[in-house]
Amino acid sequence: GAVVSQHPSWVICKSGTSVKIECRSLDFQATTMFWYRQFPKQSLMLMATSNEGSKATYEQGVEKDKFLINHASLTLSTLTVTSAHPEDSSFYICSAQGAGTGELFFGEGSRLTVL
Amino acid sequence: QKEVEQNSGPLSVPEGAIASLNCTYSDRGSQSFFWYRQYSGKSPELIMSIYSNGDKEDGRFTAQLNKASQYVSLLIRDSQPSDSATYLCAVNSGGGADGLTFGKGTHLIIQP
Repeated sequence: GAVVSQHPSWVICKSGTSVKIECRSLDFQATTMFWYRQFPKQSLMLMATSNEGSKATYEQGVEKDKFLINHASLTLSTLTVTSAHPEDSSFYICSAQGAGTGELFFGEGSRLTVL
Repeated sequence: QKEVEQNSGPLSVPEGAIASLNCTYSDRGSQSFFWYRQYSGKSPELIMSIYSNGDKEDGRFTAQLNKASQYVSLLIRDSQPSDSATYLCAVNSGGGADGLTFGKGTHLIIQP
């Protein structure tokens, strides 16, 4: 299957700082990438859809000014958590969709801990 | 609102037996169905996809789809301890790049 790489895997930051997470499609071009968040023992929740060259589409309840998404190229999308707070601590996972079949391939995930 | 329902478990199955995981979905227009396996602390891994009614087999895994009943299942034959994980059912209703709706997952435990 397609390879999606995510970085960093782990990040610890102080409250009020910003954190950037990168998501790369390594062997295919992804015009659309998705950002999910998963709290402990909960399911994946779609945060936003990242579209190359245009603004991201955010799900209801997700603050677009807090979770900045940039998809500047066909192989890279970034999620920036601005002014992070402890309640933002979670497992953030990006994914990209395979051509034609709708299958989603996930990055390794980034575990954010805000102190 | 699109919903995907799974029994959270835990589902405990003896090693070597068949594990049966079930999922129902609310959107009758759903077109694509996926099963993901997620180990604790890791991101989901795609193990099966199914798009038409009936059975689809891949090694020890069989996915079953019944669109009339809005039901999709995953069978794991000859269960191994390494199959112990959370299995997520996911449904794509849009047929395009609109992400997936995930169930909360079933925690499967294979007992040696």
